[in-house]
Amino acid sequence: ETGVTQSPTHLIKTRGQQVTLRCSSQSGHNTVSWYQQALGQGPQFIFQYYREEENGRGNFPPRFSGLQFPNYSSELNVNALELDDSALYLCASSLADRGRNEQFFGPGTRLTVL
Amino acid sequence: SQQGEEDPQALSIQEGENATMNCSYKTSINNLQWYRQNSGRGLVHLILIRSNEREKHSGRLRVTLDTSKKSSSLLITASRAADTASYFCATAETGFQKLVFGTGTRLLVSP
Repeated sequence: ETGVTQSPTHLIKTRGQQVTLRCSSQSGHNTVSWYQQALGQGPQFIFQYYREEENGRGNFPPRFSGLQFPNYSSELNVNALELDDSALYLCASSLADRGRNEQFFGPGTRLTVL
Repeated sequence: SQQGEEDPQALSIQEGENATMNCSYKTSINNLQWYRQNSGRGLVHLILIRSNEREKHSGRLRVTLDTSKKSSSLLITASRAADTASYFCATAETGFQKLVFGTGTRLLVSP
């Protein structure tokens, strides 16, 4: 157990809908990163939040957005869902420290878009 | 896009045997990390090796890093059925917090 929790565990949506995924980071961690993992692939970096500010973004369109709250929990929002958005969404928390950045992952939210 | 490739894509061994998986990457890195993932669930951090280190051990795990070849290997000794999982390498570039993952190796350890 990493202490990182995500909700919901599973979610089924239809094309065009919007979804919000939630993540609670490990106690003491100030950085949250979100990753998308398609079936059979490695996780792909979506974005990262550090002290409530976006701190880097991967190659994802603007309909992927996020928030980080003062308690360092985070949300991932995806608008106008597409079939290809079906994936496992992982959040990871870490303590910003140049040179070392082990990230502690939650169990993930499996999103299915029909 | 993925940072690089892992080799082999899949590996099937018997309990007690050693498992070796390799990872190649493309850019300069600050450190390289190995993660395990069971059945499409969350990733578990196994070991981190800095760019100025060549070898690191943790229990039954041994990781090597060759920055001149931009490659790393993970050795699991005396494997157990519970080691069955997917293994990913991930690189972190200097000054950035994001991790760039490889494509993964699926390891099956049979009793």
